[in-house]
Amino acid sequence: AQTVTQSQPEMSVQEAETVTLSCTYDTSENNYYLFWYKQPPSRQMILVIRQEAYKQQNATENRFSVNFQKAAKSFSLKISDSQLGDTAMYFCAFMKLKTSYDKVIFGPGTSLSVIP
Amino acid sequence: GAVVSQHPSRVICKSGTSVKIECRSLDFQATTMFWYRQFPKQSLMLMATSNEGSKATYEQGVEKDKFLINHASLTLSTLTVTSAHPEDSSFYICSARNSWDRVNSPLHFGNGTRLTVT
Repeated sequence: AQTVTQSQPEMSVQEAETVTLSCTYDTSENNYYLFWYKQPPSRQMILVIRQEAYKQQNATENRFSVNFQKAAKSFSLKISDSQLGDTAMYFCAFMKLKTSYDKVIFGPGTSLSVIP
Repeated sequence: GAVVSQHPSRVICKSGTSVKIECRSLDFQATTMFWYRQFPKQSLMLMATSNEGSKATYEQGVEKDKFLINHASLTLSTLTVTSAHPEDSSFYICSARNSWDRVNSPLHFGNGTRLTVT
């Protein structure tokens, strides 16, 4: 079974600074997706960034980028120029891609606070 | 962009009654939808996979008779919490992926339903 681990329950960062959130996962699959989702106090789940396992190039999305290390099964999220609106829970997630019933498994989450 | 509508957003019910939560994909078809449960300050726990036209697939430890799932059309899945008890109070979130673009489509989430059983 797949598992997703986030070792940092809480983190804080000064506004405009850079922060990195860690994520590791365990799987025997070769083809899969990895995601970072953001959940602000409104509790709406928002997709931040997605990485396909077969792509070696790290995904980037504006101020958000990942460091994907497939051999190490590591998938960290870097947030540059942190903004107050980045304050939220961040969930790392895994999805294997084999059937139409592919389900997404979430890590325990990291609560990020951006300090003015 | 793709939208998933979940209704109601909040519901309070008395112990012993049943509550139905609806999840609709508004601009895409979804043969599969997923129901998650989230306790305060915790992660999303997958409860079941809802399959259009067939029985839902429940995760280990989730009571099928307690959490009834129906996926009658390509755009609608419902979760019914039967004979609700205070311990069923939680935040329930549905999600769906565009069936016609399964490879590229991300998982879209509803806004969630906060259930309180008194």
